[in-house]
Amino acid sequence: QVRLLGSGPGLVKPSQTLSLTCTVSGDSISSVGYYWTWIRQHPGKGLEWVGYISYSGSTYYNPSLESRLSILIDMSKNQFSLKLSSVTAADTAVYFCARDLSNSGGIYFDSWGQGTLVTVSS
Amino acid sequence: DIQMTQSPSSLSASVRDRVTITCRASQSISNYLNWYQQKPGKAPKLLIYAASSLQSGVPSRFSGSGSGTDFTLTISSLQPEDFATYYCQQSYSLPRTFGQGTKVEI
Repeated sequence: QVRLLGSGPGLVKPSQTLSLTCTVSGDSISSVGYYWTWIRQHPGKGLEWVGYISYSGSTYYNPSLESRLSILIDMSKNQFSLKLSSVTAADTAVYFCARDLSNSGGIYFDSWGQGTLVTVSS
Repeated sequence: DIQMTQSPSSLSASVRDRVTITCRASQSISNYLNWYQQKPGKAPKLLIYAASSLQSGVPSRFSGSGSGTDFTLTISSLQPEDFATYYCQQSYSLPRTFGQGTKVEI
């Protein structure tokens, strides 16, 4: 059974870069049909899709974040990561990593990490 | 972007009640609609995918229906562990988008 474990600093200063890593166990990050995704949730609010990197390394970012966002994959470590630059208080959120599974039955987030609260504050 | 609108935003219900949550997409998304349950401090959990397919391990009291723009999540007999927030999500196009959530309370 696949498991996702997010990690990274819980506090980032304004204007700096937020960096998070998601370690995948129980399956290969390079398996066909997987899209490794970041989703965030502002305190007390709903879910916002941030972006993904595919099993082949292609990326798609939420247009609202695209200019500040990079998602990378490290197949040797079975990890993917998020880097969000020039952060402000509006980037304070719980960041979830998730697996977006695409198969004949549909496309859906079938596995999630535990979530990492990142606070942007000086 | 496809906008997803859920109703109601919150509801009060009792154990053994039948609960229905609706989700409307701003354009047709065929059956590319998923439902998730989230409890406080936890990650969302997949309940229903492709509008009506029950995820493995999810109790059969949960069901989904709909296609095109209008979808429904039904809990046939609410149990104490079902008090949570429910989100719909479209996977028809990028960026993926979620509904604003429906909080099911006692």
